[in-house]
Amino acid sequence: TQLLEQSPQFLSIQEGENLTVYCNSSSVFSSLQWYRQEPGEGPVLLVTVVTGGEVKKLKRLTFQFGDARKDSSLHITAAQPGDTGLYLCASAGGSGAGSYQLTFGKGTKLSVIP
Amino acid sequence: DAGITQSPRHKVTETGTPVTLRCHQTENHRYMYWYRQDPGHGLRLIHYSYGVKDTDKGEVSDGYSVSRSKTEDFLLTLESATSSQTSVYFCAISAHLVSGANVLTFGAGSRLTVL
Repeated sequence: TQLLEQSPQFLSIQEGENLTVYCNSSSVFSSLQWYRQEPGEGPVLLVTVVTGGEVKKLKRLTFQFGDARKDSSLHITAAQPGDTGLYLCASAGGSGAGSYQLTFGKGTKLSVIP
Repeated sequence: DAGITQSPRHKVTETGTPVTLRCHQTENHRYMYWYRQDPGHGLRLIHYSYGVKDTDKGEVSDGYSVSRSKTEDFLLTLESATSSQTSVYFCAISAHLVSGANVLTFGAGSRLTVL
């Protein structure tokens, strides 16, 4: 099972600040997803990255996949209270049927203070 | 919403009693999953299914069984609940993208408390 390390575990910032959270592994990712989870709800997919070096933007969120496909980052510009939540990275392990098993990091809990 | 519902949403039970959680989807997705989420551990895969009557174990399958008799329903059973199974349980379904990536759509969760 691929181990995903997310950092920081907790982040509390003021509205308008920028932040970056990280997802790292000792193994190569076949693909990587970022999810956001709000209290009392299930995680919701934000983005999927597949190609090494790939950068995707979703409004104020910028996702980067490392060239070696062992790390990824999520950068939020001008954070807003609505960005508050648990940010999870996830990757598939193995091949064949195993590629359908997603392993999740423990998440970064973000609080944006108005 | 992707059409995935979990029931019950909340349940309190006593140690030693059987518990069944239900996941129902209307998307006709082949793959379905049960995860549990606990502080300090994140989301961990319990069991998953890759078709009717086809299931396999995940990372933390001990004490749990599953069944899938129809495409749309995936049941998670705790034969004899223990306090360590107090958790929030999430069902998910997946669509395999053309790019090869597997993405999940989650239900809203079932919070189980075992006293």
